[in-house]
Amino acid sequence: GAVVSQHPSWVICKSGTSVKIECRSLDFQATTMFWYRQFPKQSLMLMATSNEGSKATYEQGVEKDKFLINHASLTLSTLTVTSAHPEDSSFYICSARNSRSGNTIYFGEGSWLTVV
Amino acid sequence: AQSVSQHNHHVILSEAASLELGCNYSYGGTVNLFWYVQYPGQHLQLLLKYFSGDPLVKGIKGFEAEFIKSKFSFNLRKPSVQWSDTAEYFCAVQPTSGTYKYIFGTGTRLKVLA
Repeated sequence: GAVVSQHPSWVICKSGTSVKIECRSLDFQATTMFWYRQFPKQSLMLMATSNEGSKATYEQGVEKDKFLINHASLTLSTLTVTSAHPEDSSFYICSARNSRSGNTIYFGEGSWLTVV
Repeated sequence: AQSVSQHNHHVILSEAASLELGCNYSYGGTVNLFWYVQYPGQHLQLLLKYFSGDPLVKGIKGFEAEFIKSKFSFNLRKPSVQWSDTAEYFCAVQPTSGTYKYIFGTGTRLKVLA
């Protein structure tokens, strides 16, 4: 079945550095991918919608200069957390839409980011 | 504005008790509906989904949900819970137009006592 893969699963970075998280659709082309973040014991909050070949659409309150999203190919979207701070520590989850399968959305396994 | 409400934030049940978790949404158009489960330390897993047809849908692990269009509700049920059902449950709504993005509810944390 369709699989969405995220890498890395876990990452620890120093405050002030940038970290990139990749989201790949392994056996389908995804023109649209979504990035969520989940704080401990909270729900998933949509951060942005990533569209292949165009700029991402950010949800209200999400800083586009801090959370850079690139969707350069039909199978890869990346989220870069720039100048990370401890408050950016969270669980980041991507999902990808398979438009050839009834617009079914598949979730990645998530990436834990800890900023120290 | 689009929103999903899960009224029960924390639920504690004994094993074999029946479960019903509420989910209501606010959206003017057609939607697909989902319930996901997240076990401690794990990623989201799809329990069941509703796209169209029979409003009573059955999912994995004995869960079912009923879509009541007039009430904008999609409540999750299980006749007899097990200790292993301890997890967080998320209701999600997906508009069938636009970007098809998911809107998640705030989640319900279920604890089943052995």
